[in-house]
Amino acid sequence: AQSVAQPEDQVNVAEGNPLTVKCTYSVSGNPYLFWYVQYPNRGLQFLLKYITGDNLVKGSYGFEAEFNKSQTSFHLKKPSALVSDSALYFCAVRATLDTGRRALTFGSGTRLQVQP
Amino acid sequence: DAGVIQSPRHEVTEMGQEVTLRCKPISGHDYLFWYRQTMMRGLELLIYFNNNVPIDDSGMPEDRFSAKMPNASFSTLKIQPSEPRDSAVYFCASSLASYNEQFFGPGTRLTVL
Repeated sequence: AQSVAQPEDQVNVAEGNPLTVKCTYSVSGNPYLFWYVQYPNRGLQFLLKYITGDNLVKGSYGFEAEFNKSQTSFHLKKPSALVSDSALYFCAVRATLDTGRRALTFGSGTRLQVQP
Repeated sequence: DAGVIQSPRHEVTEMGQEVTLRCKPISGHDYLFWYRQTMMRGLELLIYFNNNVPIDDSGMPEDRFSAKMPNASFSTLKIQPSEPRDSAVYFCASSLASYNEQFFGPGTRLTVL
């Protein structure tokens, strides 16, 4: 079985400060990892993904995430937060093995609040 | 490309009525996913298709829910009969291969009175 944990329901950060949204995963074998963002009354939007290669992945809107295999983590980061980054963020995982579940498993989401 | 298209955007119905939600995936995508989002349960995968064939429907809550994909450009999610606890936002998403990013539609907000 594959699973994702987002331990924080909400993260508060001041504009201009760095932000981190945490994600840990459990999967058989190697993972495909994704981050999505959801703004109010909208569908989820893809931010970035880790498939293979460099552990530091850069994505949209200045976000990046670091894949850490030993800690089974894929934390989302941004050096300088903007008020417009305030949204709901979802981490998702899928095993690279093409057997069993081929759909993504999403975390419960973390609400990011950036204060001006 | 117009992205994933869902209709209707909002649906208000009374308990016991049949509800049909529609989705047009991005052209060329071979995977289609139906999700439900509520405050209590978060984002739940209901069913997904590969090349129009249902692969995993283990997330469908009960027999009142059914989904079809008659061709590569259209899918429906039907609830019959609907109940108040079905009230949620229903999302459709599509992807090119299962390991690529999914593109989500804007969702259908369903309210069952």
